[in-house]
Amino acid sequence: GESVGLHLPTLSVQEGDNSIINCAYSNSASDYFIWYKQESGKGPQFIIDIRSNMDKRQGQRVTVLLNKTVKHLSLQIAATQPGDSAVYFCAVNNDYKLSFGAGTTVTVRA
Amino acid sequence: DAGITQSPRHKVTETGTPVTLRCHQTENHRYMYWYRQDPGHGLRLIHYSYGVKDTDKGEVSDGYSVSRSKTEDFLLTLESATSSQTSVYFCASGLAGDTGELFFGEGSRLTVL
Repeated sequence: GESVGLHLPTLSVQEGDNSIINCAYSNSASDYFIWYKQESGKGPQFIIDIRSNMDKRQGQRVTVLLNKTVKHLSLQIAATQPGDSAVYFCAVNNDYKLSFGAGTTVTVRA
Repeated sequence: DAGITQSPRHKVTETGTPVTLRCHQTENHRYMYWYRQDPGHGLRLIHYSYGVKDTDKGEVSDGYSVSRSKTEDFLLTLESATSSQTSVYFCASGLAGDTGELFFGEGSRLTVL
C-alpha cells in the first residue's frame, strides 16, 4: 500500500512570509497528488492537485512542486496570512482511493 | 460548496452497542468515502463506494460495515462499538474516482466509553 509522510508535524511562520510544507510518498507508481487544508472543527478542503506529468503547478498564492525522482512534493504558500493557519495534508490517489499523510499544523504569527 | 452533511455530529455510546453514522450528499456524486481521523494518523480510509450497492474496503475496515442504497446516502455501521473506535469520522464524496477533489462533511465525533 501507499505510505505518505510529512517531514514536519508543525510549522510556525511569520505573517507575510512564505510557507513551505513538505511531503514524501513511497509508491513510485503514484501519479496523482493532492493538498488539502483543514481548519479547526471542519472537514478537509481541497487546495490544489498535480499529476505526475508535471513538476509544478500554481494556484492562487499556492504552488505545488513534485519531484518524482526522490518521491517528494511540497506546498508553498506565498505571503502567509492568519487565515492560512490550519492543518495541511498531502494525499496520493491510488486506485480511486486517497491515502493521506499525518498532516502539518501551520501557525501564523502576527 | 458541495452539499454534504453528516449525522449525528456528536455521539457518546457504550462499548458493545451498535452505532450508525449517516452521510447525505446532494451533488449526485458517484463516489463516497468514510474516513476516520485520529491524532498522529491523519485520515485513514475505512470503506468507500463507487456506486449504489457497490462498496469496497479501505485500510482500516475491521469492525465497520457500510451500505449505499441510494446515490445520496452512505451509512457507516459499527456493529459492536469498541473504545478503539473512538474517533472523528469524516464522510466525503467525489464526482469521479480518478479525481483528488473530494468534498468532505463536517465530521462526526464518536466517543465509545
